[in-house]
Amino acid sequence: EVQLVQSGAEVKKPGESLKISCKGSGYSFTSYWIGWVRQMPGKGLEWMGIIYPGDSDTRYSPSFQGQVTISADKSISTAYLQWSSLKASDTAMYYCVRRCGTRPQNWFDPWGQGTLVTVSS
Amino acid sequence: SSELTQDPAVSVALGQTVRITCQGDSLRNYYASWYQQKPGQAPVVVIYGKNNRPSGIPDRFSGSTSGNIASLTITGAQAEDEADYYCNSRDSSGNHWVFGGGTKLTVL
Repeated sequence: EVQLVQSGAEVKKPGESLKISCKGSGYSFTSYWIGWVRQMPGKGLEWMGIIYPGDSDTRYSPSFQGQVTISADKSISTAYLQWSSLKASDTAMYYCVRRCGTRPQNWFDPWGQGTLVTVSS
Repeated sequence: SSELTQDPAVSVALGQTVRITCQGDSLRNYYASWYQQKPGQAPVVVIYGKNNRPSGIPDRFSGSTSGNIASLTITGAQAEDEADYYCNSRDSSGNHWVFGGGTKLTVL
């Protein structure tokens, strides 16, 4: 079974750093792009960026460029999303997703279970 | 603002047919995929490509595209279809992805 399992919920203070993870299993981790999606409380889905674990090629949505860092460690089939200095506005659920298909037909499946990040003083 | 535009809310009577639309220029070049999200759950893909359903998705879900509008149609809506639905596709540059703002479907 193809699965993405994310790290657990985090509660942090503004200014702190954080790295959350997404471990893939049941497929060749290095052969599929892994993306990250933000969902703020009560709001819609926002595309953050994507990484190809095979060579660490990374693309960021213009809205998130410079705000977060996406990385991957293919030796342990794990992708990461990190912040160097959290803000209260980073409070959200974060999902990792596997990109499937090729142009012009892509889709995202499966989704991780989500990691809830709460930033509060 | 999103490059993919969806109606915020749609309602349908139980057993009737409903169409949820997604409008954006990139849809002329790229297919949309559709995601269902129920409260407290991660989204799940229900339609992708021209009109493909992942295994386990009921055949009452279908998709289509005309020009710059992609549509998700539920034929014979059930109570369990009440959820938020999001479209996704590449953006106009083709280098990134973008979600529509989401449509809250109510089954009456």
